[in-house]
Amino acid sequence: GQNIDQPTEMTATEGAIVQINCTYQTSGFNGLFWYQQHAGEAPTFLSYNVLDGLEEKGRFSSFLSRSKGYSYLLLKELQMKDSASYLCAVRDQDSGYALNFGKGTSLLVTP
Amino acid sequence: EAQVTQNPRYLITVTGKKLTVTCSQNMNHEYMSWYRQDPGLGLRQIYYSMNVEVTDKGDVPEGYKVSRKEKRNFPLILESPSPNQTSLYFCASGGQGSAYEQYFGPGTRLTVT
Repeated sequence: GQNIDQPTEMTATEGAIVQINCTYQTSGFNGLFWYQQHAGEAPTFLSYNVLDGLEEKGRFSSFLSRSKGYSYLLLKELQMKDSASYLCAVRDQDSGYALNFGKGTSLLVTP
Repeated sequence: EAQVTQNPRYLITVTGKKLTVTCSQNMNHEYMSWYRQDPGLGLRQIYYSMNVEVTDKGDVPEGYKVSRKEKRNFPLILESPSPNQTSLYFCASGGQGSAYEQYFGPGTRLTVT
């Protein structure tokens, strides 16, 4: 099985940078995903890491270290609309395409 | 437009009355899945399907059934709903991209009284 941990809540200021961490334990790692979910809405795909390193996509970047079982999502130039829950999910080789989700980090961006 | 659709979006029902939540995708995805989301528990997988006529249990399958007779459709069936199945339900499908990321439907908010 997998154990995925991420902080429950974070607060940051508009225009700032915030880093949301995720740690995981899995026997057959096969990819890590970040999703964004606004309250009452569906999760939307943000990023995917399967090799170590940083993947950059506009204001959002995601980092992975497989040896440490660690990832982070970096959000730059925060905007009010970035207030949402951020979900870390891990795919395991033994479970096909199934994703195991962390409980999510609720990010509040303040003026 | 590529999308996953679910119906109904909202449903209030009573204990024991059978219901079906439909899910359909137009992206020709092989993989489809159902999740429930509860406060403090996050997204938990109920059932998934790797292809037509191939389904398997997720982490919380008790009280649910699914079928995959066609590639595009993956209905979730609650034969005898109970109040502990009150939840927000999401259907998702997985594509042919390199990440095989999943795309989620808009959600179905179910209340069982």
